[in-house]
Amino acid sequence: EVQLVQSGAEVKKPGESLKISCKVSGYSFTTYWIAWVRQMSGKGLEFMGIIYPADSDTRYSPSFQGQVTISADKSIRTAYLQWSRLKASDSAVYYCARLTDIAVVPALDYWGLGTLVTVSS
Amino acid sequence: EIVLTQSPGTLSLSPGERATLSCRASQSVSSGFLVWYQQKPGQAPRLLIYGASSRATGIPDRFRGSGSGTDFILTISRLEPEDFAVYYCQQYGRSPYTFGQGTKLEIK
Repeated sequence: EVQLVQSGAEVKKPGESLKISCKVSGYSFTTYWIAWVRQMSGKGLEFMGIIYPADSDTRYSPSFQGQVTISADKSIRTAYLQWSRLKASDSAVYYCARLTDIAVVPALDYWGLGTLVTVSS
Repeated sequence: EIVLTQSPGTLSLSPGERATLSCRASQSVSSGFLVWYQQKPGQAPRLLIYGASSRATGIPDRFRGSGSGTDFILTISRLEPEDFAVYYCQQYGRSPYTFGQGTKLEIK
C-alpha cells in the first residue's frame, strides 16, 4: 500500500527555521517525483516544486524559488520542505504527493495528509 | 505561466442533478497533461481524472473528463451526496504546473 506520512503540525515564530518531512512507503522511492503543494487557509492549491529522489533533481515554481528548499534522503525514503526564515505568510497546510510519470501522463496520485504550519509572534 | 480559470466559482445543485465544471487555460495544454482533483473539507485532495479523460483507480463512472486545447470539462452525471466538494484542475503542459482556483460544488 502506497503511503506518504507527513510530520506533525508546527507552531513557529517569524524568523525561525523549519524542516517538515514526508516519509514514503509501499513503492520505490527513487522512481517517482515527489511534489509539495501549499494550501493557505480557505484558499486553493499552489504547486511549489518537485524533487526526483534518485538524483535530487529539484524544480521550483517561480513563486517559491529562493523561499523554500526541497530535499530528499533516499536512504530513509523521506522528502523534506524547509524554510530558513519563516514569515507569517508561510502559515498554511503543506501537502506532499507522489507525481506519476511526469513525461507521459502526469498526475499527483497519492497524497500525504498535510502538515499545518502556523507562524505567529 | 499557464493560468487556469475555473468556472463557476460556486455551483449549487441537488443530489441526482448533473454538474458541469469548466477549466479554461490561458494557453493550449496537451490533453495528456490536464488533471482534475476533488477535495473535501479537512482532507487532502484526491485524484479524479488524469490525461483529461481517464478516471483514476476507484473513481465511479459518473465522473467524466473531456476537452482539449484550452477548454476542459469535468462532468458529474448524477450527483451523490459525497460529491459535494471543491474541484481543482491542474496542468502539466508547461512548468510551473499550475492549479485552477477551484470550483465549490455545494448542495442546493
